[in-house]
Amino acid sequence: KNEVEQSPQNLTAQEGEFITINCSYSVGISALHWLQQHPGGGIVSLFMLSSGKKKHGRLIATINIQEKHSSLHITASHPRDSAVYICAVGAETSGSRLTFGEGTQLTVNP
Amino acid sequence: DAGITQSPRHKVTETGTPVTLRCHQTENHRYMYWYRQDPGHGLRLIHYSYGVKDTDKGEVSDGYSVSRSKTEDFLLTLESATSSQTSVYFCAIRRQGRNEQYFGPGTRLTVT
Repeated sequence: KNEVEQSPQNLTAQEGEFITINCSYSVGISALHWLQQHPGGGIVSLFMLSSGKKKHGRLIATINIQEKHSSLHITASHPRDSAVYICAVGAETSGSRLTFGEGTQLTVNP
Repeated sequence: DAGITQSPRHKVTETGTPVTLRCHQTENHRYMYWYRQDPGHGLRLIHYSYGVKDTDKGEVSDGYSVSRSKTEDFLLTLESATSSQTSVYFCAIRRQGRNEQYFGPGTRLTVT
């Protein structure tokens, strides 16, 4: 079993829909990261969380430390949100190293 | 974009040849990482560095070596490339005092 599991693997939505991507992990963590990988391949960091909730524009990330679970929400989705969304955790015992989920491919149709 | 470049961006090579990928950063960050990305797997850590001449293995280090003789450059070498090393390779840095990692544009390597 992977240390970081994402669901769903693939997600197709219509423009304007509310999107939720889930991430579960099995180790104690110091922080959880959400990243976005564009169709061209570039990877950018969206959020880093160790508790609670963060919001940036239409993106919201939440984390429940007790349940070892995080969600990434996209409100009013748009075709430009189409990308792979990657969850990664920094385990308490691994220093600066991250362990990554396999990613969720999101396609938003106009 | 944290001033990270990778070279080459694309390479096709034959099995058994040596290959070196370069990661260059302009902001003097201490921590640098090499990952590979393959379908069905998340990004997987190959090697990382926490300073000049200070490197350590990641989870998929077999068949790879690294060197860091200058702060700005982190080199990944495949001593004798194999088809299983066909992948997209990403370099990343971690900014001092922060936990986020910032990624280079990637190198697509094909071993035929």
